Amino acid sequence: QKEVEQNSGPLSVPEGAIASLNCTYSDRVSQSFFWYRQYSGKSPELIMSIYSNGDKEDGRFTAQLNKASQYVSLLIRDSQPSDSATYLCAASNTGNQFYFGTGTSLTVIP
Amino acid sequence: DARVTQTPRDKVTEMGQEVTMRCQPILGHNTVFWYRQTMMQGLELLAYFRNRAPLDDSGMPKDRFSAEMPDATLATLKIQPSEPRDSAVYFCASGLDDLASQYFGPGTRLTVL
Repeated sequence: QKEVEQNSGPLSVPEGAIASLNCTYSDRVSQSFFWYRQYSGKSPELIMSIYSNGDKEDGRFTAQLNKASQYVSLLIRDSQPSDSATYLCAASNTGNQFYFGTGTSLTVIP
Repeated sequence: DARVTQTPRDKVTEMGQEVTMRCQPILGHNTVFWYRQTMMQGLELLAYFRNRAPLDDSGMPKDRFSAEMPDATLATLKIQPSEPRDSAVYFCASGLDDLASQYFGPGTRLTVL
C-alpha cells in the first residue's frame, strides 16, 4: 500500500454543489495532513492543514480527519468553476518524511 | 510577499549536458524539498534538507543527480549527465519545522532532447 492514496478522478460537480475529495493513508504516515490545490501548469498551493481528529473549516473548505479509519477528506461547498483543479493530499510523520498522493482532478461545471 | 523562487523557469538541453537548477527558499524557513513531477508519476520527492543538512535523498538517482545547500538562501539540484527521461517539472518547496506545510516555488520545466 502506498503511504497516501487518492482516487484520480476525474470528479465533476455542478456549480454550487458540494465537492467531496477523499484520501486514505497508511500506518507509516500519521502525524499531519495537508490538502494542496494545483491548477494546470502551476505549482501546488496549500489550502488546508489538519492535525487532529474532527473537522476544520476555512471559508468554503472543510477538512475532515478520521485517524481510526485512516482517511482524510476535503469538502468544498458552493463549488465554483475556479475550483477546477487537481487536489493533492499529503501526509507527514514524525520521521521527517512527507508523502503526496497522485491527486484528484476536479471539474466544476457552470 | 515571501515566496520561493526558482531559476531557470524553463530549460531545454541536449542529452548528456549538465543541468543546474536553483532555489531560494522563503527567508527563515529551515526545510527545503526538491520534487519532480510528471504526468505518469505525479510528485516524487527527490531530496529533503533540514537546517541545510540532507536528511533524505533516497528518491534521487545517485549516479547522476546531486542536491546541495551551499547556504541557507540557496539550494541547488544538479543533473549530470542529463537524459531524456529526466524531462519533467522540478519543484522546490520550503517549510518551517519538520511537520509544517510546504510552500512551493513556480518550478523549472526541464526538457532533455
